Amino acid sequence: GQNIDQPTEMTATEGAIVQINCTYQTSGFNGLFWYQQHAGEAPTFLSYNVLDGLEEKGRFSSFLSRSKGYSYLLLKELQMKDSASYLCAVRKISSGSARQLTFGSGTQLTVLP
Amino acid sequence: GAGVSQSPSNKVTEKGKDVELRCDPISGHTALYWYRQSLGQGLEFLIYFQGNSAPDKSGLPSDRFSAERTGGSVSTLTIQRTQQEDSAVYLCASTPPGAETQYFGPGTRLLVL
Repeated sequence: GQNIDQPTEMTATEGAIVQINCTYQTSGFNGLFWYQQHAGEAPTFLSYNVLDGLEEKGRFSSFLSRSKGYSYLLLKELQMKDSASYLCAVRKISSGSARQLTFGSGTQLTVLP
Repeated sequence: GAGVSQSPSNKVTEKGKDVELRCDPISGHTALYWYRQSLGQGLEFLIYFQGNSAPDKSGLPSDRFSAERTGGSVSTLTIQRTQQEDSAVYLCASTPPGAETQYFGPGTRLLVL
């Protein structure tokens, strides 16, 4: 099976930096995704890591360490609109070449003025 | 272009009734996924289609759940004899050939009374 752990809630101040951690245990690891989900809306793709290291995309960066089963999402220059749930998801190659994602429960980030 | 669409957006039904949920993926996307998201929980994988075939049905919670996809496009998820624990948001996602990112629809919010 797969276990994905991330904090349930985080709070940060507008303009600050926040790091959301995700740890996972899985066999057949084939990539880690971060999605953003605003309340009542569909998840939207933020980042994808399959190799170790840091991927930067504007104000958002994502890091992966496969040996440690660890990833983080870094959000810089926080804005009020960044208040959302951030979902960590692990992809594994299973039978039939299915590329299903297994999601963590999400981290609800609240950005305060 | 148009994103993934799902219908209905909301569905209220009585326990024991059958419901049918529809997903229209982005045109040209060959892979289609169904997930379920219960209140405060992460996304739970249900089933995956590659074209019209479903190589991975491992996530379907019981034999009351079934899904089909026709013409490599529209998919329907059917829940027979609904139970209150089936209440959740049912999300559909699609992926273009050779790509990694799953694009989510807005979901169908199902409430079983």
